[in-house]
Amino acid sequence: NAGVTQTPKFRILKIGQSMTLQCTQDMNHNYMYWYRQDPGMGLKLIYYSVGAGITDKGEVPNGYNVSRSTTEDFPLRLELAAPSQTSVYFCASSQTSTGELFFGEGSRLTVL
Amino acid sequence: DAKTTQPTSMDCAEGRAANLPCNHSTISGNEYVYWYRQIHSQGPQYIIHGLKNNETNEMASLIITEDRKSSTLILPHATLRDTAVYYCIVSLGGATNKLIFGTGTLLAVQP
Repeated sequence: NAGVTQTPKFRILKIGQSMTLQCTQDMNHNYMYWYRQDPGMGLKLIYYSVGAGITDKGEVPNGYNVSRSTTEDFPLRLELAAPSQTSVYFCASSQTSTGELFFGEGSRLTVL
Repeated sequence: DAKTTQPTSMDCAEGRAANLPCNHSTISGNEYVYWYRQIHSQGPQYIIHGLKNNETNEMASLIITEDRKSSTLILPHATLRDTAVYYCIVSLGGATNKLIFGTGTLLAVQP
């Protein structure tokens, strides 16, 4: 069981570029989440999904898009990268509506 | 979701119990209390959660006051590897299970 896998682990982008952060889970979880964490701060929810084909905005969705075409995958798309999107991004999944979240190892993104 | 208040930092001697407090005075009757921790820059790790009753697992114990306005996470025998940021989160769970993280408590276990 790999759990939650995120790629890439590190990426440097130039302002205005676009990219997709990949997230895959092999636990057949319906619930998936994207968080970002700025230095010295707690995690902020970007987007979440309660199942394939269903996504919704979290606390800080601006500048991001998501899709959920399969149960396993929940990619996060950054369009027109800005320095304010420099952060560590964590993907998570959970099996039930009240159960524990399983987090990936994070993707560290720098926008210059 | 109810807001939580935690101390910014705490110290604990290795081998002693670490007691981490959390205030959630606006918690509603169907909101759960969750605890997660984050070691260095890794992804957060689930520790324990509860609704009304005290809970215990292999990692920790969760004590929730009778009025549910506060709780305490207890690590019975802290080790250096328990040095981390501990997050107390109150959430409905429900249809979305989305958790809102604050800034947490930095627990430093001292040798």
